[in-house]
Amino acid sequence: QQPVQSPQAVILREGEDAVINCSSSKALYSVHWYRQKHGEAPVFLMILLKGGEQKGHEKISASFNEKKQQSSLYLTASQLSYSGTYFCGTESYTGRRALTFGSGTRLQVQP
Amino acid sequence: DAGVIQSPRHEVTEMGQEVTLRCKPISGHDYLFWYRQTMMRGLELLIYFNNNVPIDDSGMPEDRFSAKMPNASFSTLKIQPSEPRDSAVYFCATTTLLDRGVYDTDTQYFGPGTRLTVL
Repeated sequence: QQPVQSPQAVILREGEDAVINCSSSKALYSVHWYRQKHGEAPVFLMILLKGGEQKGHEKISASFNEKKQQSSLYLTASQLSYSGTYFCGTESYTGRRALTFGSGTRLQVQP
Repeated sequence: DAGVIQSPRHEVTEMGQEVTLRCKPISGHDYLFWYRQTMMRGLELLIYFNNNVPIDDSGMPEDRFSAKMPNASFSTLKIQPSEPRDSAVYFCATTTLLDRGVYDTDTQYFGPGTRLTVL
């Protein structure tokens, strides 16, 4: 089952913050976050693992609630370059290695 | 490193024709994934390989689709015969699992994709 992302779309002004949520019905081993700009390939942002370990870069943070099978991506002080579609990819215990991606959240940052 | 290389970048073909998409993984990556992206279905996994062996092909839509990985540096996704509903962007992604102790998962690196249009 595909994880559910919310919101589907969000428009921000530069400097504003945003939160993107990802929820799964399966017990999750890890959650991966990617950003895709129009006409380009998805680019890795962050991995969240059981136990709270995180691996990522840029001024982006995330959380992972294992009990609720939920993850949230926090974009603070947004920049124009943050615009794009954000996907969460979930890795379940029963489907290791393979990622199931959500439908995406379209983020537009305006000047 | 050159990253994941896919070819062709664009393919336009007519219904019924055979289509072959190609992927060269990042050197040293032992996992290779094929994804398809459409507006309606989003980004969906078709098949993935580990050490050139297909591990899970449950996402392959039907028998018209086949994938091979004859060696560690090359994989193909073939559609025969192609249909208009196969029109999509096909991505190849690769990774290798670092030795992290308890955790053994790592990021997937996506290629630029092949935009397929079947008329």
